[in-house]
Amino acid sequence: EVQLVESGGGLVQPGGSLRLSCAASGFTFSSYWMTWVRQAPGKGLEWVANIKPDGSAKNYVGSVKGRFTISRDSAANSLYLQMGSLRVEDTAVYYCARGWGGFDLWGQGTLVTVSS
Amino acid sequence: QSALTQPPSASGSPGQSVTISCTGTSSDVGTYNYVSWFQHHPGKVPKLMIYEITKRPSGVPDRFSGSKSGNTASLTVSGLQAEDEADYYCSSYTASNNFVFGTGTKVTVL
Repeated sequence: EVQLVESGGGLVQPGGSLRLSCAASGFTFSSYWMTWVRQAPGKGLEWVANIKPDGSAKNYVGSVKGRFTISRDSAANSLYLQMGSLRVEDTAVYYCARGWGGFDLWGQGTLVTVSS
Repeated sequence: QSALTQPPSASGSPGQSVTISCTGTSSDVGTYNYVSWFQHHPGKVPKLMIYEITKRPSGVPDRFSGSKSGNTASLTVSGLQAEDEADYYCSSYTASNNFVFGTGTKVTVL
């Protein structure tokens, strides 16, 4: 089955760190750009970061630059988002999505809550 | 990077058409043809409806169509059906080498 499954969300204090994972299956993971998108409670979708198929290029939204790092492991068919210096405003459901612009496959999302 | 501007809401009766606008700038929608539209039912996973302004992924009904003029892209849903009631988001590639989503539009089928 073609799918993406996120994990790693949870409750973390401001200033803390968290690593999200996204396991891909059913397609050739190493051929696709991959993307993280988030949705804060009651808010709209926000593009967070993407990574080239070979991992050689990474792009971030301004609000997470220097704090978040996107990476991938093609041997494990997995995408990651290392999040540091977390802020209350990073609270959101984080989705991984396949593709560069037309995100045609999405995971079910994992909730990250930043609160003291 | 500011979010693309969409109307907060739109509505229509079954069988009617509704058009949602997505206004950006010359740094995103106005210059690039990488505009996509997503349907999001609350509690479910977003679904790609349109990519590269006008293209429909396999399985998306031809009732959904996209267009662009200047800095504004549009999604039209013809022959509205009850299951079309959802939130809709546009997105665009930007000159900053990233992407930006729209503010979202809640479509209500009356």
